[in-house]
Amino acid sequence: DTGVSQNPRHKITKRGQNVTFRCDPISEHNRLYWYRQTLGQGPEFLTYFQNEAQLEKSRLLSDRFSAERPKGSFSTLEIQRTEQGDSAMYLCASSSGTVRGQPQHFGDGTRLSIL
Amino acid sequence: AQRVTQPEKLLSVFKGAPVELKCNYSYSGSPELFWYVQYSRQRLQLLLRHISRESIKGFTADLNKGETSFHLKKPFAQEEDSAMYYCALAVLYNQGGKLIFGQGTELSVKP
Repeated sequence: DTGVSQNPRHKITKRGQNVTFRCDPISEHNRLYWYRQTLGQGPEFLTYFQNEAQLEKSRLLSDRFSAERPKGSFSTLEIQRTEQGDSAMYLCASSSGTVRGQPQHFGDGTRLSIL
Repeated sequence: AQRVTQPEKLLSVFKGAPVELKCNYSYSGSPELFWYVQYSRQRLQLLLRHISRESIKGFTADLNKGETSFHLKKPFAQEEDSAMYYCALAVLYNQGGKLIFGQGTELSVKP
């Protein structure tokens, strides 16, 4: 098991373009989380899935952002009409139980740069 | 409001010196706290969590509910401890929850 896998590692795109990131969690984990991290800050929660159900979304997740987790396995995070402020590291994490019961395991992240 | 504060952005010590990375939290419920570490060019990884009361790599952290703190300590710092350290608070809701992170403290251990 290689842990949480995220692709691509880096994404450079022009403002206004759409981008999609993928996260493959640890295989037996039913919970999957997306976070965003900007320079000099800790990760900030974006959204959370339990199996295929998206149970919570942060107010940081504007209507340009959409996340899916079909079949409760991998997840995708799409950003439409990207803006300069979307430049950040996007982190995915997974866990096998509640936040209180089990720690979250993080991937390497996808670094998004908007030109 | 739910918040985690790490007051120091950078902490620089010499090898063998004691280390204390500060973390304060604000949370109305029963807190569960974690320390995550990120070494250079590596992913964020769990260092320790308060419910297990364990010592990892010589680090310990005690939850002090009166002072709403969860400071990370090590009696003798090593050069390999140089990394970014994040304190995180678990907020449980809706069958799951999220982690709220502090802004992080960069620990630099000099030879």
